[in-house]
Amino acid sequence: GENVEQHPSTLSVQEGDSAVIKCTYSDSASNYFPWYKQELGKRPQLIIDIRSNVGEKKDQRIAVTLNKTAKHFSLHITETQPEDSAVYFCAASQGSNYKLTFGKGTLLTVNP
Amino acid sequence: EAQVTQNPRYLITVTGKKLTVTCSQNMNHEYMSWYRQDPGLGLRQIYYSMNVEVTDKGDVPEGYKVSRKEKRNFPLILESPSPNQTSLYFCASSGASGGYNEQFFGPGTRLTVL
Repeated sequence: GENVEQHPSTLSVQEGDSAVIKCTYSDSASNYFPWYKQELGKRPQLIIDIRSNVGEKKDQRIAVTLNKTAKHFSLHITETQPEDSAVYFCAASQGSNYKLTFGKGTLLTVNP
Repeated sequence: EAQVTQNPRYLITVTGKKLTVTCSQNMNHEYMSWYRQDPGLGLRQIYYSMNVEVTDKGDVPEGYKVSRKEKRNFPLILESPSPNQTSLYFCASSGASGGYNEQFFGPGTRLTVL
């Protein structure tokens, strides 16, 4: 089955700096890669996703890149703000309605 | 309001006492899933359902049962709970089979088994 590795497990940055979280996946059949943000005590919520037919997707301060050959994808957050502090999860699946496998999460702390 | 609901939100029980956590969605989604979240282990899928009467095991199905008799409901059943099932449980749903749609999560159920 699919295995998703996520690094780092914790990340601390200063406000205004960039943050990068990296994930690798094992199943070459995976073609959908969402990122979820989970604030303390709340449910995970989708912040961005990418399909295997594109290499990069951007939404304001958030971007995701995908390297299918190397089987890794990354989340980039620019100009970080304290409200970006949360746990971020990457995931992989063969389409969103198929089994979704999550990474173990990254605790991002943005220091004012 | 489009949402996924779970009940109860918090539950403390004892080993061996059967319990059910309900999950309901009002978005007419085909796909529903249960996850457990444990510190350092992320979100692990317990069971999922592609449609009514269709369920399949996720990564950690042992000790759990599910049913999908109606499209909107996907209850999680613990026939004989044990302390290692103490966890935070999330139900999620997604629409349009075969699409690339966002999974919507419920608010979570925090279960403690003594």
